[in-house]
Amino acid sequence: ETGVTQTPRHLVMGMTNKKSLKCEQHLGHNAMYWYKQSAKKPLELMFVYSLEERVENNSVPSRFSPECPNSSHLFLHLHTLQPEDSALYLCASSQEGWVGGELFFGEGSRLTVL
Amino acid sequence: QKEVEQDPGPLSVPEGAIVSLNCTYSNSAFQYFMWYRQYSRKGPELLMYTYSSGNKEDGRFTAQVDKSSKYISLFIRDSQPSDSATYLCAMKYSLNAGKSTFGDGTTLTVKP
Repeated sequence: ETGVTQTPRHLVMGMTNKKSLKCEQHLGHNAMYWYKQSAKKPLELMFVYSLEERVENNSVPSRFSPECPNSSHLFLHLHTLQPEDSALYLCASSQEGWVGGELFFGEGSRLTVL
Repeated sequence: QKEVEQDPGPLSVPEGAIVSLNCTYSNSAFQYFMWYRQYSRKGPELLMYTYSSGNKEDGRFTAQVDKSSKYISLFIRDSQPSDSATYLCAMKYSLNAGKSTFGDGTTLTVKP
């Protein structure tokens, strides 16, 4: 496996379900991110983990709960979501503190909330 | 007002055309400017990275930054059907990649 891998690629869930998105990076980077991508809107940064410590939470609703057990793995736990949460959720990693250390994205998890 | 405004598109051009994709921004603190390309059903990938005003060329792609006008462009020469994708401009004021602010994206279709 190379780069950033995300599972599942597609997820359909009801508003009362609990599910998790998984991300794994094989690049040796020291920071990982969750982004939300909705149609006709810019990428929205949700969470940042640097050296496994959460450093930023951009006022994301508590129904989204991140977990970063180590520098290679990132989870997004989902519960009691709303239909407006349907979107593409992108995981990314980067090597911070280095000019040119830009974001490497996974292919995303397409979430549909019924 | 958004910090970064990107020409909305969609844009459709014939193969071989020169394509110009543009973004304007309001925050003069932005120092690093990026273009990401996103194919359908894929995540974005970094295409070009520039620092400060001027041009940067990479094959058929040229990134241009005009900090005095707060305007950046991506030019694609001899466009190919394989260039069909959504192009996202992004910019930041520090080395921290997580501080990137993205445009909405422009979807480009190059017709054979």
